[in-house]
Amino acid sequence: AQKITQTQPGMFVQEKEAVTLDCTYDTSDPSYGLFWYKQPSSGEMIFLIYQGSYDQQNATEGRYSLNFQKARKSANLVISASQLGDSAMYFCAMRESQTGANNLFFGTGTRLTVIP
Amino acid sequence: DGGITQSPKYLFRKEGQNVTLSCEQNLNHDAMYWYRQDPGQGLRLIYYSQIVNDFQKGDIAEGYSVSREKKESFPLTVTSAQKNPTAFYLCATRQGSTYEQYFGPGTRLTVT
Repeated sequence: AQKITQTQPGMFVQEKEAVTLDCTYDTSDPSYGLFWYKQPSSGEMIFLIYQGSYDQQNATEGRYSLNFQKARKSANLVISASQLGDSAMYFCAMRESQTGANNLFFGTGTRLTVIP
Repeated sequence: DGGITQSPKYLFRKEGQNVTLSCEQNLNHDAMYWYRQDPGQGLRLIYYSQIVNDFQKGDIAEGYSVSREKKESFPLTVTSAQKNPTAFYLCATRQGSTYEQYFGPGTRLTVT
């Protein structure tokens, strides 16, 4: 079974609007974490935001917030006030604690295009 | 400058040749990782190392080898046994006390 599922291959958003990128996950580990990374056309993966499974509040980093719904096993990324520079691939990833290695499992990504 | 360097950015090889991809970091991070990315897909873990002189196989280690003789360096060798070596290869590091991984700029390998 897929550990991370991103069902939106592509999304469009008008500049200055907010957009939500979906991510669902599957794990039996009680201690885990969810990440979002941005990959511009240059290829480098840029860390955006992290949410631990025991964190009481949703994570926020500037214009990025993570809508964490534990019961639904979803960890959607919300980008507010979209900018042209937000156009990129976005990947959701998960770490599990049970292996002890904190390796990451990635989804297939969502390509976001910001329209002027 | 602090960071992770991968060289070269583009690499071309003939089928049947081994090729080594470089990954160097000056962040003093303990753990290092190699991922492979194919078009339209997410990253898949090849190998990882949590300390010097120790490394473990990831999900797709067949046809690859690594070494970790120094904390700063984690080279990946793509051997001729790797059936489909053409891909984008990303190196990452992680400080032991944190969870987030930081990535290098990647090397795009083309084997013909």
